[in-house]
Amino acid sequence: QQQVKQSPQSLIVQKGGISIINCAYENTAFDYFPWYQQFPGKGPALLIAIRPDVSEKKEGRFTISFNKSAKQFSLHIMDSQPGDSATYFCAARIPYGGSQGNLIFGKGTKLSVKP
Amino acid sequence: DGGITQSPKYLFRKEGQNVTLSCEQNLNHDAMYWYRQDPGQGLRLIYYSQIVNDFQKGDIAEGYSVSREKKESFPLTVTSAQKNPTAFYLCASSSRRASNQPQHFGDGTRLSIL
Repeated sequence: QQQVKQSPQSLIVQKGGISIINCAYENTAFDYFPWYQQFPGKGPALLIAIRPDVSEKKEGRFTISFNKSAKQFSLHIMDSQPGDSATYFCAARIPYGGSQGNLIFGKGTKLSVKP
Repeated sequence: DGGITQSPKYLFRKEGQNVTLSCEQNLNHDAMYWYRQDPGQGLRLIYYSQIVNDFQKGDIAEGYSVSREKKESFPLTVTSAQKNPTAFYLCASSSRRASNQPQHFGDGTRLSIL
């Protein structure tokens, strides 16, 4: 199944709080899981990414947690700031080879961080 | 600076008209992609191209056409057959030689109906 299910659709967090966005997938062949951040009127920009042989990856205030057995991964934003207000997309990559290396995207989470 | 340039930023289409969206990259990437973004729908793949002179349909190719005559360029034509073209269109590229390299996106073209 080539879907990635993302939740919640929208999220409101107070400044300094933790933002958590979850994604689930079915295809165990996916080999790369990036998160993108998109501001209004702009294209998505890569935020952080993880491979399925790693359970956690941290870059600054952003952490991906990956649960291979549950086929779930999540983005945690620590100490959330108003500047983090954006739409976040998770994605999963079809392996290179016959099927192209294409990304399957979740439907996005609109995050609002209140001052 | 290396990157992806999409033009125009805003585009208006009249009834029965074909319009072409430009996408140029100077990242020396082999693969290029076109996505359509609608509110609450995420990014849906229209067409992709792995190499010059070759391209494949994505999930929602009907009413669209592309060409890939040069490595740097991947224009998208929205034809009159696309009955609901109003959306934000995003072009992306990636390197197939580096497995950990993500797709890089341009800043999009917003297409509206006149």
